[in-house]
Amino acid sequence: DIQMTQSPSSVSASVADRVTITCRASQGVSRLAWYQQKPGKAPKLLIYAASSLQSGVPSRFSGSGSGTDFTLTISSLQPEDFATYYCQQGNSFPLSFGGGTKVEI
Amino acid sequence: EVQLVESGGGLVNPGGSLRLSCAASGFTFSNAWMSWVRQAPGKGLEWVGRIKSTTEGGTVEYAAPVKGRFTISRDDSKDTLYLQMNSLKTEDTAVYYCTTYTTSWSYFDYWGQGTLVTVSS
Repeated sequence: DIQMTQSPSSVSASVADRVTITCRASQGVSRLAWYQQKPGKAPKLLIYAASSLQSGVPSRFSGSGSGTDFTLTISSLQPEDFATYYCQQGNSFPLSFGGGTKVEI
Repeated sequence: EVQLVESGGGLVNPGGSLRLSCAASGFTFSNAWMSWVRQAPGKGLEWVGRIKSTTEGGTVEYAAPVKGRFTISRDDSKDTLYLQMNSLKTEDTAVYYCTTYTTSWSYFDYWGQGTLVTVSS
């Protein structure tokens, strides 16, 4: 099974800050997605294929990386971006998520 | 507009059964691959299983913790996805989300609002 490890588990930031979240896979993957989840809501797809922005997602979100190391970057944090972010690998079953990174004030 | 609406959650005793439904609209359900993802209270996301479209065989993959106890099925005539859960355990307590699944890059693009399943005596 492929294990996904996110860091940090939480990050304190302010509006307009640049925020970077890291996701590491226990073995190389090519199918990597990122999701945003706000309290009491369903997750929302932000990025797929490691760096492709889902339709309707603001361009301040970007994804990069390959192999085992991936990054989600929020270039200028907005008030609505305070949430928990998850990475997910789709290379092999069982599909798996990282533990989440909470972005808070 | 894609809509996924889950129902059927509730309180059930350990060892009991429950069937969740997910009513889909806004897309061609019969062509869609679908999935269930769950989230225990205060915890992260956990994939439960995935079903292919009927035209592509309708085969199902399950996560190890639910294999043999849970069954994913679909009724394309009703645009509805199901999750039959048997032999429920306290650790199955979670919000269960129905999602669409894009096979090309293996991600979950649309999510329902979720339905809470509580397994407790």
